Amino acid sequence: NAGVTQTPKFQVLKTGQSMTLQCAQDMNHNSMYWYRQDPGMGLRLIYYSASEGTTDKGEVPNGYNVSRLNKREFSLRLESAAPSQTSVYFCASRIRTGGRSTEAFFGQGTRLTVV
Amino acid sequence: RKEVEQDPGPFNVPEGATVAFNCTYSNSASQSFFWYRQDCRKEPKLLMSVYSSGNEDGRFTAQLNRASQYISLLIRDSKLSDSATYLCVVNYNFNKFYFGSGTKLNVKP
Repeated sequence: NAGVTQTPKFQVLKTGQSMTLQCAQDMNHNSMYWYRQDPGMGLRLIYYSASEGTTDKGEVPNGYNVSRLNKREFSLRLESAAPSQTSVYFCASRIRTGGRSTEAFFGQGTRLTVV
Repeated sequence: RKEVEQDPGPFNVPEGATVAFNCTYSNSASQSFFWYRQDCRKEPKLLMSVYSSGNEDGRFTAQLNRASQYISLLIRDSKLSDSATYLCVVNYNFNKFYFGSGTKLNVKP
């Protein structure tokens, strides 16, 4: 099973350039997330999508936009990259059940450097 | 104030040792709790969920103390392969999923 697939795995951007990080899951999960991880900061939620057609801001949404293209795909766009956006980006997905909270499954991450 | 606080470590222990990590959380409405493991330059993976009554999975035991708002992870008989960063995760309102910054464990031969 592929699980959660992110592309690209590595990227170097110049300040002001734009790019889109792609994420797809094949587990039929309804909720999808984008996190960034910086040294000493843990993972911080950028945006999430509780279900197809909906998106909401997380803790650190500034400078980012997202699109939930369909149930499988959730993309993250940087319109004008800044050095402060140098980070490791993780996409994750979960299934929503009626009661029990479920684990999140993560992609392998995208290492982004903005110079 | 951070939602979830962890001691960053590192905890350096010999093989066979018992080691414990604690994690505190600030929101008393938190509903679900997890421990994730993250290897260097890899994605986080679920180690175990934490239940109110406490739970055990082999050498790993997780405890929850709602009154004091902390969770703990105990690792017995440490193996070299346990070396990793352990992330505490607290969840409320389903999509509010907060990660601690992680505790690094180094198990030495």
